[in-house]
Amino acid sequence: EPEVTQTPSHQVTQMGQEVILRCVPISNHLYFYWYRQILGQKVEFLVSFYNNEISEKSEIFDDQFSVERPDGSNFTLKIRSTKLEDSAMYFCASRANYEQFFGPGTRLTVL
Amino acid sequence: GQQVMQIPQYQHVQEGEDFTTYCNSSTTLSNIQWYKQRPGGHPVFLIQLVKSGEVKKQKRLTFQFGEAKKNSSLHITATQTTDVGTYFCAGRPLINAGGTSYGKLTFGQGTILTVHP
Repeated sequence: EPEVTQTPSHQVTQMGQEVILRCVPISNHLYFYWYRQILGQKVEFLVSFYNNEISEKSEIFDDQFSVERPDGSNFTLKIRSTKLEDSAMYFCASRANYEQFFGPGTRLTVL
Repeated sequence: GQQVMQIPQYQHVQEGEDFTTYCNSSTTLSNIQWYKQRPGGHPVFLIQLVKSGEVKKQKRLTFQFGEAKKNSSLHITATQTTDVGTYFCAGRPLINAGGTSYGKLTFGQGTILTVHP
């Protein structure tokens, strides 16, 4: 069964450093998302992406964040200058219809 | 902005007991989805409800969508240890003439279910 994949599974970085989280959505899906989940808390929407552009973003998704679909398969989330409070699990999701398929997540730890 | 509240935050049950989690949105929803997240795992889609008053069943799970499309519930009959995890509702705002929602989901805080054997 096709699935969303994410790399790396765990990323440790120093505060102020840039990180790029990578996702490979399911191949025939057209809608892509990034969510984050701080440990023990709810899943929070960051951004949605369709037709090669951002379609919606939350207040969390400020100028430090950007997304890209550099080729036909990858979907990336970049955080330019990480802060301690960016430490969380970041989930990528994709969908063709209404069901969103989540990837296994990247745990980002900012020291 | 839209808020989705979910109660209870925690639920501990003995295996075989029933379990219910409730979800309430501050705004009318286009549809609502339910997800299950096992400890250490990622959210996995369970179901989507679209119609006012809709009821859907999946084996021991019963999902309801309120008449006003602002609340929903998930009921598990005769829980099993495999039911442990966090159950999230996620609402999609009602699409209106002013804009189009491409699938932004607002998640509730989740209900953590523990089942004691």
